[in-house]
Formats: sequence, structure tokens, C-alpha cells
Amino acid sequence: AQSVTQLGSHVSVSEGALVLLRCNYSSSVPPYLFWYVQYPNQGLQLLLKYTSAATLVKGINGFEAEFKKSETSFHLTKPSAHMSDAAEYFCAVREGGYQKVTFGTGTKLQVIP
Amino acid sequence: EAGVVQSPRYKIIEKKQPVAFWCNPISGHNTLYWYLQNLGQGPELLIRYENEEAVDDSQLPKDRFSAERLKGVDSTLKIQPAELGDSAVYLCASGPDTGELFFGEGSRLTVL
Repeated sequence: AQSVTQLGSHVSVSEGALVLLRCNYSSSVPPYLFWYVQYPNQGLQLLLKYTSAATLVKGINGFEAEFKKSETSFHLTKPSAHMSDAAEYFCAVREGGYQKVTFGTGTKLQVIP
Repeated sequence: EAGVVQSPRYKIIEKKQPVAFWCNPISGHNTLYWYLQNLGQGPELLIRYENEEAVDDSQLPKDRFSAERLKGVDSTLKIQPAELGDSAVYLCASGPDTGELFFGEGSRLTVL
């Protein structure tokens, strides 16, 4: 069975500071991993995905994530936070070969001016 | 390219009333998902379709929820009768074989 754990339901950073949102997964087979962003009253939008190619994945809006198999982690980072990054972020896992996608409980990012 | 379209965006009903949500996925996406999202939570899968076949409906409360995907395109999710605890956002998503999901804006249900 696959699952995702997001550490920290709320994260606050200052504008211009590093953003680090944590995600750990469990999967019995090599996983596909995703980060999605959700703005208020909107659906989820794909930020980036890992599909067993490069372990460092670059996404939209300056975000990137690194797949670390030894740590079963897929943390999301951005070097410099912008006010527009304030949103809720969800990590998700899909076991290879299956279409079922499981989401974490989300991390709400607050950016302080 | 048009995205996933859902309607209605908002619905307020009294308990025990029926309600239906509609979803039009992205053209060419064979997989369609309905997720439930409670406030402050991540999406939870209700049902997944491959074309017109429901391949995973283990989390769908079948005593009051039903879904269909006629002709493998549009889909409808119905609740009858609605309960107070059904207040949530119902998200529809579709996806290609590469695994990423494309979400609609959701249908927010309030049951009074």
C-alpha cells in the first residue's frame, strides 16, 4: 500500500527566504511522486512530478524537488519565497503501473512580507 | 486546450435532499477521478474510472453515493439523500497514462 506523510500542516516564511516543504512516502514498488498547489477556492494544479528519470525535478514557479530513495523523501524547495507562493501544497504518490494516486494532508504556506 | 470543467461550483441544499455534480474531463484522458476534499484535508479518492469502467470504487459510500460515466467521457456524481457530513468540496480530475492529474475547480457542497 502507498501513503504520503507531509510534516507540518502550516509553514511560515519571510518573503525572499527559502521555502522547504517536507514529504515522505511509502510504496512497495518504485513510485511516481508529485507536488500540487491549491489556491483558495480553486482545484489543484501540478507543480512538478518525478517519474524515475532525474532525481532532481524542476517545476513551475521556481520550485524544485529532490527524490531521495534512501530517505523515502521528496521535499519541495524554492530558494526565494514570493508573496504569490502563499497557498496549500500537496504531495502525492502513485505506485508505478497503477493509476491510483494518494495525497498527503497538505501544508499551508504563509509568506510574510 | 480546455481544462476539466465541473458544475455547479457551489450548491446549498437541505439534508435529505438529492444533489448531483457533473464533470467534463480533458479530451483524450481515459482516466477520470472523483475526489472528496474536506476543509484542511487532502483529496480522498471516491471513485476512479478507466473509460466507462469503474475500476476503484472501494471508498464510495454506496448506500447514498452513485456515479456514472456514460460513453467514457462526462461523469456525474450523485448523493441521495445528502447528510450534514457530506458538506465538502467534490473534485473531479482526469489524467493521461503518464500519471499526472488535471483538476477542475471543484463543486462546493453545503448541507444545512
